[in-house]
Amino acid sequence: ILNVEQSPQSLHVQEGDSTNFTCSFPSSNFYALHWYRWETAKSPEALFVMTLNGDEKKKGRISATLNTKEGYSYLYIKGSQPEDSATYLCASLQGGSEKLVFGKGMKLTVNP
Amino acid sequence: KAGVTQTPRYLIKTRGQQVTLSCSPISGHRSVSWYQQTPGQGLQFLFEYFSETQRNKGNFPGRFSGRQFSNSRSEMNVSTLELGDSALYLCASSLSGAMAFFGQGTRLTVV
Repeated sequence: ILNVEQSPQSLHVQEGDSTNFTCSFPSSNFYALHWYRWETAKSPEALFVMTLNGDEKKKGRISATLNTKEGYSYLYIKGSQPEDSATYLCASLQGGSEKLVFGKGMKLTVNP
Repeated sequence: KAGVTQTPRYLIKTRGQQVTLSCSPISGHRSVSWYQQTPGQGLQFLFEYFSETQRNKGNFPGRFSGRQFSNSRSEMNVSTLELGDSALYLCASSLSGAMAFFGQGTRLTVV
């Protein structure tokens, strides 16, 4: 059974704070790790697809790292803004499967 | 190019009825996946289709079924609806193995 866990489940921060979230996944037969951002009343939007151990990706103030050997990924947001408020989802893809297994998400609220 | 389109956006059905949801993927995407989201739960995988073939299936009862047409459009059907089937149903299309592009979902309410 493939379980993807995210922590914390929710986070309230002040504008300007930096935040980081953790996604853990089974490391066996790993193929890819996806991060998505889901704003209220919108569709989930892909942030990153990561495949290589030690990979680091960046998009503006958001970055992510990947450790496939120990089965975790970190998502960082530097200098959070109110528009960063959303649910952040990670999902794991195992080799030989097209089945994305999602964590329950981490709801971020950034207060102005 | 156009994104993933799901219809209808909202639906109210009564217990025991059946429902069909539709998903039109991004042009060129041959993989279409369906997910269910209920309060407090993450996105639960229903099934994935590629070139009209179901490649993967989640742990849902046989009342949940789907199909994909030659133009990659996909439908999902739920028969004998139960109250617990009330959820947001999302479909996503992708080039195989790549990032998924989601539709806005169909909000199904079973009364």
